[in-house]
Formats: sequence, structure tokens, C-alpha cells
Amino acid sequence: DVKVTQSSRYLVKRTGEKVFLECVQDMDHENMFWYRQDPGLGLRLIYFSYDVKMKEKGDIPEGYSVSREKKERFSLILESASTNQTSMYLCASSLIVGPGSPLHFGNGTRLTVT
Amino acid sequence: AQKITQTQPGMFVQEKEAVTLDCTYDTSDQSYGLFWYKQPSSGEMIFLIYQGSYDEQNATEGRYSLNFQKARKSANLVISASQLGDSAMYFCAMREVYYAGNNRKLIWGLGTSLAVNP
Repeated sequence: DVKVTQSSRYLVKRTGEKVFLECVQDMDHENMFWYRQDPGLGLRLIYFSYDVKMKEKGDIPEGYSVSREKKERFSLILESASTNQTSMYLCASSLIVGPGSPLHFGNGTRLTVT
Repeated sequence: AQKITQTQPGMFVQEKEAVTLDCTYDTSDQSYGLFWYKQPSSGEMIFLIYQGSYDEQNATEGRYSLNFQKARKSANLVISASQLGDSAMYFCAMREVYYAGNNRKLIWGLGTSLAVNP
């Protein structure tokens, strides 16, 4: 089975801090994704990566950056955390991007910025 | 613009009964894929079932089946013989194959919360 591991389940940070959310997958997937999930807004794509060192902006990239130095690891960076970035963050990976390739998700990181 | 609509914010079903969760979609493309995911209270999104727009048969995976009506643009999830462990949020999603050069994007519905009563 595909395993996508997010480093933290719960995280509390202060406004202005630099925050790193880490995600690792063990199935050699080319594609990795970061979403945030908020009540009433559903899942929104922040960034995705289809190869090492490659990245593309999703729907809401402002305030975030990403890093993919190795195929198995995709990091989401909040350069200066703000309270409106309090959310559930979900990492996902997929083997190929054809119409039928599902995303495999980690358990999520619930981030609170105070 | 592509859109996924899940009109049922919350649903209740009695254990061992079947339940249908609605999903309608809007796309101008002829080639696309439809997904259902389950999200228990633990937070992990779990892939359940997939239907391709050109698939002639409705997809089935164990107790899950997808009632695909292309002309109506609906892709309802049917869960047979509900179990207590089916209590969760359920999300419908769509991927268009060719979308403005970005063919990696999933469009998500807002979800339906299902509660299975003993």
C-alpha cells in the first residue's frame, strides 16, 4: 500500500514564524500535492510538483512556497505564518497523472497560528 | 467552468441499509474522470472508487458502486449494507484530461457528512 506520511498531526505556531510542513511518500510517485481544507471551502490546491525541483502553483499559492529536493519528499513552507493560515493541510501523491490515477493522501496536519 | 456539486450536507442511514450520496458535475470536456473519497474523523482522505467518462459500465468496488448518468452529469455513490465505520465525510471530485494545459488538477465538491445509526 502507498504510504504518505506527514510529519506532524497537530502544530501550533505564532504569527510571523516560518513554518515547515513535511510530507514523505514511499511509492516512488512522480506527483505530489499540497492542499488546505477549510469548512465550507472544501479542498483547495496550494502547490503541486510533478518532478524533483519542479513545481506549479495551485489555486491559492499566496503566502506559501514549496520545496522538492528529493522525489519522495515535498515540503510546504509558510514564510511568515498568519492567523488566516490556520487550517488542515493535506499532502497527497500519485503515480501518474492520467484521468484515472487517484491521489493518495497523508493523515493531515492541523495547523493553528496564534 | 468546471464544478462539482454535492447537494446533501448531511445524511443519515440505518446500519445495514443502502444509501446514495449525490454528486453532479459541470464540464464541457468529453474526457474526464470522477472520483469518490472518504474522510473519517481521523482526517485521512481515502480513495474509494473511480469512473471514467468513456467507461460503459458503472464502477463497483466491494460495497461501493457509482451510479454514472452521463447525460445528467451525475455520479452518485451508492453504499450498500451500511456499516458504523462508514460514518465519515464523502467527497466527489473530477479531473478533466485536458484543462488549460494543467491536466493534474482535481475539482472537489464540498462533501456530504454521512452518519450511520446502529
